[in-house]
Formats: sequence, C-alpha cells, structure tokens
Amino acid sequence: AQSVTQPDIHITVSEGASLELRCNYSYGATPYLFWYVQSPGQGLQLLLKYFSGDTLVQGIKGFEAEFKRSQSSFNLRKPSVHWSDAAEYFCAVALTGTASKLTFGTGTRLQVTL
Amino acid sequence: KAGVTQTPRYLIKTRGQQVTLSCSPISGHRSVSWYQQTPGQGLQFLFEYFSETQRNKGNFPGRFSGRQFSNSRSEMNVSTLELGDSALYLCASSLEFGYEQYFGPGTRLTVT
Repeated sequence: AQSVTQPDIHITVSEGASLELRCNYSYGATPYLFWYVQSPGQGLQLLLKYFSGDTLVQGIKGFEAEFKRSQSSFNLRKPSVHWSDAAEYFCAVALTGTASKLTFGTGTRLQVTL
Repeated sequence: KAGVTQTPRYLIKTRGQQVTLSCSPISGHRSVSWYQQTPGQGLQFLFEYFSETQRNKGNFPGRFSGRQFSNSRSEMNVSTLELGDSALYLCASSLEFGYEQYFGPGTRLTVT
C-alpha cells in the first residue's frame, strides 16, 4: 500500500528565514504528488501539485517543491517565510491517473517567530 | 467562482444517532470525495463519487455511506454514531477524474 512520511511533526522558523518541509513516499510507481496547507479550523488549501514533467513545480504563496524520483521525495520550500505562513502542511499522494483518492502524511506544523 | 461549501459547519450528536452532512462542489466539478480528519488517525479517505456513482471507497465500516445527486451535490451519512466518529469531515471536489481536488471548510462533528 502506498504511504507518505513527513518526518518533522513540528518546525519553528524565524520570519524571513528559508523553509524546507520534507516528504517521502512509498509507492511502486511515480504517483501524483500534492502539498496542502491547513490553517486552524479551516479546510485544506492546495499549494501545488506534480503530475509529470518538470520536477520543480511552482505553487501559490511563493512555495515550490521538487520531485526527486531517486529519493522518493517531494520536499516543499520557500525562500523567505512570512508570519502568515504559520499553519499545518500536508503532503499527499494519489495513484497515477486519479487524483481523487489521496493518501496523506501526518502533517508538519509550522510555527513562525517574529 | 465559489468554492466548495459544506453544511452544517458544526454539529453535536449523541451516540447511537445518525447524521447527514452535505457538500456542494465547485460549479462544473463532477467528482466529490470525502475525508475524515482526527488527531489520532489523521486524514483518511472515505469515498468518492463521480456522476452519481461511487468510484472509490476507503476502509471504513458500512455505517458510513454517501451519495451524489445529478447536480453533483453530495451527502454523507453516518448511522449509529460512536464517540470515535467525532472528527472534521472534509469534502473535496475536482473537475474530472485525474484532476486535483479542492477542499471545503469541513463539518466539525462532535459525538457525545
């Protein structure tokens, strides 16, 4: 069965610092890959997705992610974090060809200090 | 374009009761999926509907069911509620099979 690992439960960064959130997946083939963000009491907002093609994908709010097949990773990055980025971030995967049955990681809670 | 809407946003039920949650997808979206989010189990896929047919189902007991109407709106029903059903239930819609999903704000269900 496919699985997603987000090794960092909680990360604290200073405003203006760079950010990298890790995501590793286990799957027999390259799945569809996603990053979502959830603010307290809210639903999930799609930050970016990877289906195929260029392994560096750009998303909303200045986020980007790089797919590395050899490492089965899809890490999320942002060069300069803003206080409003504090939230929980989820990596998710889905079978190639369908993006509807998502398997989520356990999430990484990001705290931003001023 | 309006996003995914879910009603009600908050619900308190008693163990043994049943509950129905509603989801209206983004206009033009034909696929609706449901997820359960709990602190212990995280985000788990419940089921997906497309053109009024259940296309995928997660590993949940038969007490959890759903349906989709011809206008793509969807409902999920949980019968014989248990304390462990307390969760945030999220609905997501997508344009077609194979497209990314957009989530609603969720319905917070508390079972007492």
